[in-house]
Amino acid sequence: QKEVEQDPGPLSVPEGAIVSLNCTYSNSAFQYFMWYRQYSRKGPELLMYTYSSGNKEDGRFTAQVDKSSKYISLFIRDSQPSDSATYLCAMKWYGNKLVFGAGTILRVKS
Amino acid sequence: DTGVSQNPRHKITKRGQNVTFRCDPISEHNRLYWYRQTLGQGPEFLTYFQNEAQLEKSRLLSDRFSAERPKGSFSTLEIQRTEQGDSAMYLCASSLLIHGDSYEQYFGPGTRLTVT
Repeated sequence: QKEVEQDPGPLSVPEGAIVSLNCTYSNSAFQYFMWYRQYSRKGPELLMYTYSSGNKEDGRFTAQVDKSSKYISLFIRDSQPSDSATYLCAMKWYGNKLVFGAGTILRVKS
Repeated sequence: DTGVSQNPRHKITKRGQNVTFRCDPISEHNRLYWYRQTLGQGPEFLTYFQNEAQLEKSRLLSDRFSAERPKGSFSTLEIQRTEQGDSAMYLCASSLLIHGDSYEQYFGPGTRLTVT
């Protein structure tokens, strides 16, 4: 079993829809949680960085962490075709390396 | 541009050849990481440096792989006697260590290696 599980999709939605992306994890030592966006053949781009359980909002993006359930989510409001990409969740404990999910492919249709 | 840069962006090599990749981190960042990403998977950790010291290596990093960060600035990743299984995207990231903890990791564009 992988430490971080993420549905690979693809997830296809119409423009303007609310998108929900999720990851589950097994290691309760993880303390920091991130979401990255990766366009085809590009490096990952950091979208959200959270530490505690609860919600964090940045523009159209909301990151949600539930440490008791070992479950994190990323919500995208008013999705745009330019949001079409692979979304990677990542997490780490104190310092050091990131552990990534496999990524969810998102397609927003105009 | 003050982001992480990597060169070359794409490398095609024949099996058995040696290749070297370079990463230039964000200038004030003291931590530098190497990851490998294969198609349909998330990046996997290979190794990281704090300044010039290599502090951790993954078991994924076989004896054919070596990484250096000689002056605590740029880093190189060398793969000797390449195999077809080495074909992947090699990603570099950097972060700032403050008070014993490192925060956001920022990634470069990656070097795509194709071994024929």
